[in-house]
Amino acid sequence: AAGVIQSPRHLIKEKRETATLKCYPIPRHDTVYWYQQGPGQDPQFLISFYEKMQSDKGSIPDRFSAQQFSDYHSELNMSSLELGDSALYFCASSLRLNTEAFFGQGTRLTVV
Amino acid sequence: GQQLNQSPQSMFIQEGEDVSMNCTSSSIFNTWLWYKQDPGEGPVLLIALYKAGELTSNGRLTAQFGITRKDSFLNISASIPSDVGIYFCAGQREATGANSKLTFGKGITLSVRP
Repeated sequence: AAGVIQSPRHLIKEKRETATLKCYPIPRHDTVYWYQQGPGQDPQFLISFYEKMQSDKGSIPDRFSAQQFSDYHSELNMSSLELGDSALYFCASSLRLNTEAFFGQGTRLTVV
Repeated sequence: GQQLNQSPQSMFIQEGEDVSMNCTSSSIFNTWLWYKQDPGEGPVLLIALYKAGELTSNGRLTAQFGITRKDSFLNISASIPSDVGIYFCAGQREATGANSKLTFGKGITLSVRP
């Protein structure tokens, strides 16, 4: 079965650079969630979208922005990267009326 | 903010043993989910619970949604080496909208000795 696809899997950036992470949800899923997971930490909610509109916002820095496109894929844009942004970034998708959220394999971002 | 409590942080069991993990909250969640995560990989959904008191099985896994909607447990029976990983509970207040995000516990790292 198709799963959530994230790209790239690994990304190395320098401080103050920008990064764009992409998420392709499971087909027919209309809701996308972004999470950040630091080493040894639980996933922290960043932002979510339903039907291309932002539905909830968590602890997402102002330097980050995200959107969901007409084909339901989503992109997380990160600017002025800091060393502390190094983490695993996960995208999850679900159907609005089905609360099971399925996660992608994540993007490991390393800021040097 | 909403917090889910999982303890202990680590558990060590012998292969073939059963293990139980608990997750508690000071506030109500309307959906509970259990995920397993391997290092560097995304969390994999194990079991989802939607009704208070619900008991659901998935192979060797059994989970229950507490009656108060403030707790859940996960049982793994006859553990095997591939059960090793981090087990997260997650709660969701609403199915849609502003409260549909998942709140995660800190996770329990399970080690299985052959």
